[in-house]
Amino acid sequence: KQEVTQIPAALSVPEGENLVLNCSFTDSAIYNLQWFRQDPGKGLTSLLLIQSSQREQTSGRLNASLDKSSGRSTLYIAASQPGDSATYLCAVRPTGANSKLTFGKGITLSVRP
Amino acid sequence: ETGVTQSPTHLIKTRGQQVTLRCSSQSGHNTVSWYQQALGQGPQFIFQYYREEENGRGNFPPRFSGLQFPNYSSELNVNALELDDSALYLCASSLNRGGAAYEQYFGPGTRLTVT
Repeated sequence: KQEVTQIPAALSVPEGENLVLNCSFTDSAIYNLQWFRQDPGKGLTSLLLIQSSQREQTSGRLNASLDKSSGRSTLYIAASQPGDSATYLCAVRPTGANSKLTFGKGITLSVRP
Repeated sequence: ETGVTQSPTHLIKTRGQQVTLRCSSQSGHNTVSWYQQALGQGPQFIFQYYREEENGRGNFPPRFSGLQFPNYSSELNVNALELDDSALYLCASSLNRGGAAYEQYFGPGTRLTVT
């Protein structure tokens, strides 16, 4: 059974800091890994999707890496801003036609002005 | 292109009642997945519908059921509501073609409170 872990559960940093959010998963037989952002009480916004054959993806100030063999992914946020404050979730999709996503519990990020 | 929409936004029900949540998939998508997100937790997969048939189910009891319509919209029904059913219910749509399933796009969710 796939398990996804995100530690720590919460993080507070000053504005401008570069930071790394970690995600680990137990079963390396994944099709892809996705990072989402969730604002309080809202739905999920997809940030980056990394296919299992890829090592990283970049979008603006965000960079996500994937090491399938070790079961780890990181989301790097450069020059953090107060508007980046949200919960960040990672999710993995298994190989095969089943597109069920298994999520971690998320990391709640607070960027202080 | 219209994104994934869900209705209602919020809902309050009493224990033992039944509820129906609705989801309209993104244009061109034929697959709908439902997730339950309890407070402080990550979303948990409930089930998925493809071509109007259930196509995978998570660890949820039979009182959670669903439907998919010919236009690919979907309903989630929950019978005999329990307090622990209070959660944000998320719908995601995607395209399943030739056995390959593509990226899921999430709706804004329905917040269900059971009292």
